[in-house]
Amino acid sequence: EVHLVESGGGLVQPGGSLRLSCAASGFSFSNYHLNWVRQAPGKGLEWVSYISARSEAIYYAHSVRGRFTISRDNAKNSLYLQMNSLRAEDTAVYYCARDGGRGYDMDQWGQGTLVTVSS
Amino acid sequence: QSALTQPASVSGSPGQSITISCTGTNSDIGDYNYVSWYQQYPGKAPKLMIYEVSNRPSGVSNRFSGSKSGNTASLTISGLQVEDEAYYYCSSYLRSSTLAFGGGTKVTVL
Repeated sequence: EVHLVESGGGLVQPGGSLRLSCAASGFSFSNYHLNWVRQAPGKGLEWVSYISARSEAIYYAHSVRGRFTISRDNAKNSLYLQMNSLRAEDTAVYYCARDGGRGYDMDQWGQGTLVTVSS
Repeated sequence: QSALTQPASVSGSPGQSITISCTGTNSDIGDYNYVSWYQQYPGKAPKLMIYEVSNRPSGVSNRFSGSKSGNTASLTISGLQVEDEAYYYCSSYLRSSTLAFGGGTKVTVL
């Protein structure tokens, strides 16, 4: 069974940094592209970033480009999101999601980790 | 503001059919067949319901179907059931090598 488990969320002050992790199991991690998606409280889904299976292709939403860095360690079956210069509007539940390998769909999701940016 | 436009809410009675629209542009929905639909219950992670416009993943009820015409994609739920009450989000690949979600549609079963 596929499992994606996010961790690393918490309360951080504006301008601060946080590193999220997503531990994967139940599938061949190194064969799949991955995404980070976030959801602000009471709001809709927002795609944040994408990384290809071998990290050759990396994309970011305009709202986080230059502040967030996505990475992965295929040996550790782990996905990461380094978040710097955090703003109040980055407050959200952050989900890692597996790319289905078809048409940029996300077929497996973690339960999310909450990031709160506040002083 | 989302790149893709969905109605805020859609409602129907049990057994009826409803359709949720997702309107984009010729730089996203109109140019690619990379439209997906997700179902989300409050406090839960999203679930993939449709991929590549009209394909259902294994395990998803055939009451859910997807289509596309021009710059607008649609999700139809037929034989509406109480458990279909949830939020639904469309997503599409964009020409700028990014992805976008619609603003979400709350489906209410009357």
